Amino acid sequence: DTEVTQTPKHLVMGMTNKKSLKCEQHMGHRAMYWYKQKAKKPPELMFVYSYEKLSINESVPSRFSPECPNSSLLNLHLHALQPEDSALYLCASSQVRGGLADTQYFGPGTRLTVL
Amino acid sequence: DQQVKQNSPSLSVQEGRISILNCDYTNSMFDYFLWYKKYPAEGPTFLISISSIKDKNEDGRFTVFLNKSAKHLSLHIVPSQPGDSAVYFCAASAMGNTPLVFGKGTRLSVIA
Repeated sequence: DTEVTQTPKHLVMGMTNKKSLKCEQHMGHRAMYWYKQKAKKPPELMFVYSYEKLSINESVPSRFSPECPNSSLLNLHLHALQPEDSALYLCASSQVRGGLADTQYFGPGTRLTVL
Repeated sequence: DQQVKQNSPSLSVQEGRISILNCDYTNSMFDYFLWYKKYPAEGPTFLISISSIKDKNEDGRFTVFLNKSAKHLSLHIVPSQPGDSAVYFCAASAMGNTPLVFGKGTRLSVIA
């Protein structure tokens, strides 16, 4: 089973709203990731959690706040977003080998629209 | 600077023929390479990978070739099917604390 699930599938929010994206995997992976993908672009890494600790933050604005409550769950809390934050948000997970992550398996994504 | 390059934004192939997607990289520390397939508004699906100790890996209709001296890898799909039409991303990673690096993708269209 290489399934990563994400909820919700679609989200529309205003610039003053607070919402959360959720991601879950049950593959025993100890690395989890958030990516942002705009149309016709490759996925752009936002955050990496390794063994439930934030290991990489790619200079993401503080209006995006990740959380890893346990090894199976990853959340992305959203607050005061801008219309340009509208994108497909992808979660991924992988094993960790020698400090480096292995094959990443992606979820289906959350299509976020900020009005 | 782009460490992983997919220089062909698009490729059209007839059904039943071979599709060859190319990828070049610049970072000699990369030791693990992957190909993902992506449909619109969906997450990338892992297709096949290869580590730097090999020069070929095969899985069904998909074969990845790695030429370390040229810093080049390619994905061969034989025979191509209309369902293979998607965007294909090449990605690479290295030992240490570096995340996966993606190319910009190649849109493959398989024409029936």
